[in-house]
Amino acid sequence: AQTVTQSQPEMSVQEAETVTLSCTYDTSESDYYLFWYKQPPSRQMILVIRQEAYKQQNATENRFSVNFQKAAKSFSLKISDSQLGDAAMYFCAYLGTNAGKSTFGDGTTLTVKP
Amino acid sequence: DAGITQSPRHKVTETGTPVTLRCHQTENHRYMYWYRQDPGHGLRLIHYSYGVKDTDKGEVSDGYSVSRSKTEDFLLTLESATSSQTSVYFCATLAREANSPLHFGNGTRLTVT
Repeated sequence: AQTVTQSQPEMSVQEAETVTLSCTYDTSESDYYLFWYKQPPSRQMILVIRQEAYKQQNATENRFSVNFQKAAKSFSLKISDSQLGDAAMYFCAYLGTNAGKSTFGDGTTLTVKP
Repeated sequence: DAGITQSPRHKVTETGTPVTLRCHQTENHRYMYWYRQDPGHGLRLIHYSYGVKDTDKGEVSDGYSVSRSKTEDFLLTLESATSSQTSVYFCATLAREANSPLHFGNGTRLTVT
């Protein structure tokens, strides 16, 4: 079974600074998808960024980028120029080629300090 | 998101009563999922469906059943609710084009007293 581990239950960052959230996973598959989701206090699950395992190039979305290390099974999220609105719980998620194999990490609560 | 509606949004029920949560989607996505979210556990998969009448168990399926009689509807049933099933329940869908993400409903907060 796939596992996803987020080793940082809580992180904090100063507004305008950069922060990196870590995620590691375990799988025997060679092709899969990885995602970061943001959950603000409203409880809504918002897609932040996605990465296909077969793509070597790291995904970027504006201030959000990932460092995908397939051999190390690592998928960290970097948030640049942090904003107060970035404060939320962040979840790392794995989706296998069998679409039923979806696994989420336990989340990292990010606090942004003004 | 992706036209996903969960109902009800909130529910309080008593131990031992049956409860059905509904997920309705308007995007014609093939896959549908039910997760529960508890403090410190992220989202855990209860059941999922890969087509009409095609369902399979997730990691925390005990005490839950599902049905999908139409593409757009995925029902989660607690046959006899227990206090351990107090949680926030999320429905999600997946189109399964390359790189398509999971799309989520807004969640149902269920309290079993």
